[in-house]
Amino acid sequence: AQSVTQLGSHVSVSEGALVLLRCNYSSSVPPYLFWYVQYPNQGLQLLLKYTSAATLVKGINGFEAEFKKSETSFHLTKPSAHMSDAAEYFCAVSDRDNNDMRFGAGTRLTVKP
Amino acid sequence: EPEVTQTPSHQVTQMGQEVILRCVPISNHLYFYWYRQILGQKVEFLVSFYNNEISEKSEIFDDQFSVERPDGSNFTLKIRSTKLEDSAMYFCASKESGQNTGELFFGEGSRLTVL
Repeated sequence: AQSVTQLGSHVSVSEGALVLLRCNYSSSVPPYLFWYVQYPNQGLQLLLKYTSAATLVKGINGFEAEFKKSETSFHLTKPSAHMSDAAEYFCAVSDRDNNDMRFGAGTRLTVKP
Repeated sequence: EPEVTQTPSHQVTQMGQEVILRCVPISNHLYFYWYRQILGQKVEFLVSFYNNEISEKSEIFDDQFSVERPDGSNFTLKIRSTKLEDSAMYFCASKESGQNTGELFFGEGSRLTVL
């Protein structure tokens, strides 16, 4: 099965600073990739997804991610962090052959005033 | 906006007791999932369900676990004899179609505490 690795279990940035959350996938065939956000005491909400169309994907709340096949990466970025961005972010992969979705370990984003 | 709903939001049980977690997926969705998140850890796949049968299950989903769609709207996860290590947040999710590009819609989770 496919898998994703998220580098950094905890990222802390200042308000207004660039947000960069890293995700690498393991596959010889590009899978479908997703970023979900989990706010405290809530379920997971889709931020954006890559489905083999454009490599730069724009999502909600100003987030975007770029699929780079050469680096097997799908890093999540936002130019300017807001306090409301503080949450847990999960990268996920969906196998083209199977129908399930597997998640990375998550990265907790803290935004300092 | 349609949403996945889960009950109960929090359940406390004694070790060895049976627990049933309930989910109402989005009404026109066909694929259903249970995931587990132990406190502070990753979201782990348990099982997927389609056409009234299990499609896939992980190694976590052993004989103590079962799923059912008893009445065409509810989707339940049963843990037959709970263990301390079953304490976790359990998320139900549903997907409209079989396309692997499809988004999973998640409920807000059921927190299970096993004492």
